[in-house]
Amino acid sequence: KAGVTQTPRYLIKTRGQQVTLSCSPISGHRSVSWYQQTPGQGLQFLFEYFSETQRNKGNFPGRFSGRQFSNSRSEMNVSTLELGDSALYLCASSLVTSVSEQFFGPGTRLTVL
Amino acid sequence: TQLLEQSPQFLSIQEGENLTVYCNSSSVFSSLQWYRQEPGEGPVLLVTVVTGGEVKKLKRLTFQFGDARKDSSLHITAAQPGDTGLYLCAGANFGNEKLTFGTGTRLTIIP
Repeated sequence: KAGVTQTPRYLIKTRGQQVTLSCSPISGHRSVSWYQQTPGQGLQFLFEYFSETQRNKGNFPGRFSGRQFSNSRSEMNVSTLELGDSALYLCASSLVTSVSEQFFGPGTRLTVL
Repeated sequence: TQLLEQSPQFLSIQEGENLTVYCNSSSVFSSLQWYRQEPGEGPVLLVTVVTGGEVKKLKRLTFQFGDARKDSSLHITAAQPGDTGLYLCAGANFGNEKLTFGTGTRLTIIP
C-alpha cells in the first residue's frame, strides 16, 4: 500500500508570493491534516479535512487555507508569503480522524526569501 | 493554548545505556501518542495510550500514561543507534479531535 505523498518536496519562494502544496493520502483514508514544523515552534496543527469539509482549524492567519477533493487528495495554499512561513509542511492521513492513527508524508520544505 | 513540554530537549548517550523522556502538561488529554521522526521524513506513530496509568511496551520501548492523563514517559532500554531521532508526544483534546504536539526531544545514540 502506497504511503502519503507530498509534492513538491522542496520549494523556494520570495516574500509576497503565494504557494500551493499537494498531498495524496493513503488509499481509503478520508481524513487529511496539515501541520507546520519549525525549529522554534515545533509541530503545529494547521487544519483537518474530512470528506471535502474542513473539520478542524488551528490558530493560523487566514493566509493559510486548504481544500480537499472528492478523491481525498488535499491542497494547502499560503498567500502573501512572509519570511516566517519558512518551514516543513507535513500532511498526515488517517481513516477517520486525526487523533486516530495518522500516517505522515515526508513533508514539503518551503523556504521564503 | 495547551502546552506539552518535553524534557530533556536534547539527549546524547552511549549505545547500551537506558534513558527516559518526559512529556508534561497542565491539561488533561483523552489520549496521548508518541512519534519518532528521522531527518527528511515525517513522524511515525509508535504508540497510543488511552487509559490513565496505562503502560505499553514495544520491544525495548516502554510508554506510560500518567494516572491523571496529564503526562507521559518513554523509557528506552539498552539504546541502539537506530533509536536516534526526534521523539514527539502528542495529546488529543476531549471533544475537538485536535492533536497538540510536544516540544520534542532530540535523541542521539552514540555507537
